[in-house]
Order: sequence, then structure tokens, then C-alpha cells
Amino acid sequence: NAGVTQTPKFQVLKTGQSMTLQCAQDMNHEYMSWYRQDPGMGLRLIHYSVGAGITDQGEVPNGYNVSRSTTEDFPLRLLSAAPSQTSVYFCASSYVGRTEAFFGQGTRLTVV
Amino acid sequence: GQQVMQIPQYQHVQEGEDFTTYCNSSTTLSNIQWYKQRPGGHPVFLIQLVKSGEVKKQKRLTFQFGEAKKNSSLHITATQTTDVGTYFCAGSNTGNQFYFGTGTSLTVIP
Repeated sequence: NAGVTQTPKFQVLKTGQSMTLQCAQDMNHEYMSWYRQDPGMGLRLIHYSVGAGITDQGEVPNGYNVSRSTTEDFPLRLLSAAPSQTSVYFCASSYVGRTEAFFGQGTRLTVV
Repeated sequence: GQQVMQIPQYQHVQEGEDFTTYCNSSTTLSNIQWYKQRPGGHPVFLIQLVKSGEVKKQKRLTFQFGEAKKNSSLHITATQTTDVGTYFCAGSNTGNQFYFGTGTSLTVIP
């Protein structure tokens, strides 16, 4: 059972480039979310989804897009990377109803 | 911005000493979760508290949810080197949107 799989694990981007962080889960969870983790800031919610076709914004959505075409996948798109988006990104999934969240291994992104 | 504050940010203890981290919310929470993140790792779920005044124990770890459901604490008795990591609380008001605290980084000195 793979759980939550994130790719890539590491990425370096130049300012202005775009890219997609991939997230897939095989637990049939309805709820998926993206967080960014910065030193001293904890984990901040970027976007979340309660099911296929439904997405909503979290605390820090600017500069990011998401879509949820299937239950399994929840990609995060950086439209035009900025140095302020240098961070570690985590994808998480859970059943709807405020149950435990399972996190992926994280993607360490550096924007230069 | 952050709705859930967590203190202290860092804690160094000698192995065998106790450790406590506190979580405070400006609003009433429907539930609160605790996670542990090892250095270089990802957050791993520890427990969820739902009821006012709830206390749960997991071996040396004791979790409490305040009577007003605005604060919570995690207490570790007799720390071990395996307890090293960052402990996060995450509170929810409604729905599935969880707000994470800033975390407490625990260092255990052998």
C-alpha cells in the first residue's frame, strides 16, 4: 500500500518558470490538501479538495492552482515561480469528517 | 494568518526529563489533532481529541483538550532520544480545513 506519493522529491526552478507538483493517493480518500512548510511558520494550507471536481482555497493560495479530476490525484501548479515560493511542500489525504491525515514525503522546492 | 499558536518554539531537555508543548486557538475548535515530524521527514498523525476536557494517553504521551476547546497540550514523561522531532497541533473549526500550529522542536540530550 503506497499511501500518498509525491513527485518530485527535489526541484530547482528559475524565477518565472512554471511546474506541477504531483500527488497521488491509493486509499480512496475524499479529502486532499496541499501545505507549504517554512521555518518557524508551521504548515500553511494552500488549497484543498473534498472530492473530485471540488477545490477550495486555503490560507495562502496566491500563485498556486489546483484541480481534482480524479479521486486519486491532486496536482499543484506553480504558475510563475517566485523566490518566495521556496519551501517544502506536503500533500495530505484523509477521509472527509476530520479524521487523521496521511502525508506524502514532501517536495523540496528552490526558486532561484 | 495563523489561528493556532504553539509554544515553546524550541525545547532542549536531558534524556529522562519531561516535556510539554501547548497549543492555543483564538476560536473554539471542533477538534484538535497532534502530529510528530522527525527531522527530514513528514508529519505523522499521533492522535485526535474531540470532547471538551478530553484526556488521552499513549504510553509516555498524554494529550489534553481544554474545557473551552480553545487549547490543548502534549506532555511526554521521561523523554527518550526517539522522541526527537517537531510536534504540531492542528485545529479545525468546521469542515476539513485544519490550521497547524507553528510546532515545537524537541531536542533530547543523551
